[in-house]
Amino acid sequence: SQQGEEDPQALSIQEGENATMNCSYKTSINNLQWYRQNSGRGLVHLILIRSNEREKHSGRLRVTLDTSKKSSSLLITASRAADTASYFCATDRDSWGKLQFGAGTQVVVTP
Amino acid sequence: GAVVSQHPSWVICKSGTSVKIECRSLDFQATTMFWYRQFPKQSLMLMATSNEGSKATYEQGVEKDKFLINHASLTLSTLTVTSAHPEDSSFYICSADLGTGNYEQYFGPGTRLTVT
Repeated sequence: SQQGEEDPQALSIQEGENATMNCSYKTSINNLQWYRQNSGRGLVHLILIRSNEREKHSGRLRVTLDTSKKSSSLLITASRAADTASYFCATDRDSWGKLQFGAGTQVVVTP
Repeated sequence: GAVVSQHPSWVICKSGTSVKIECRSLDFQATTMFWYRQFPKQSLMLMATSNEGSKATYEQGVEKDKFLINHASLTLSTLTVTSAHPEDSSFYICSADLGTGNYEQYFGPGTRLTVT
């Protein structure tokens, strides 16, 4: 079963607006990652946040992690049409590199 | 760097035939690769972990005799879907990590399999 649950399942916004999506997980983690998937393509790594970090930035992306609530959020600021994609959070399942993916949030950015 | 390729990008086959999908790390060596399956509008489901030079480890519920995995070199892992059926139609994605311990994975572009 998927450890990560994401909400919302789908998000439709206009260019220039911010997009926020959340991810919750059930067990303790070493790190949490966010990936983007364009339709019919593989996944692209966006950002990794370690369990001892609370916030991380990368360009227009901001990720927060609250280990006490077992949740993370991904904020995309000043969204662009090119940000249209599905976004997945992933947590480490074990020490061998296995990842557990959330259900994903489908983001549509309209011009 | 850290590019992973998959071949073919899409394939159509008839029921009962076998299909081989290749996953290659182009600019790095990958001792471990992962195979996922993804249904439309759903998340990725890990099928198996492919280890160079040893047997793959399969997730619970995944038939190892149906989904044969071979990782014969540090840059190539193959997934063979044997005796394919229409329900095997799916998007198959492989990934590899750099083995640095930071858990970041690099994904191939995926293979769309349609079984008729």
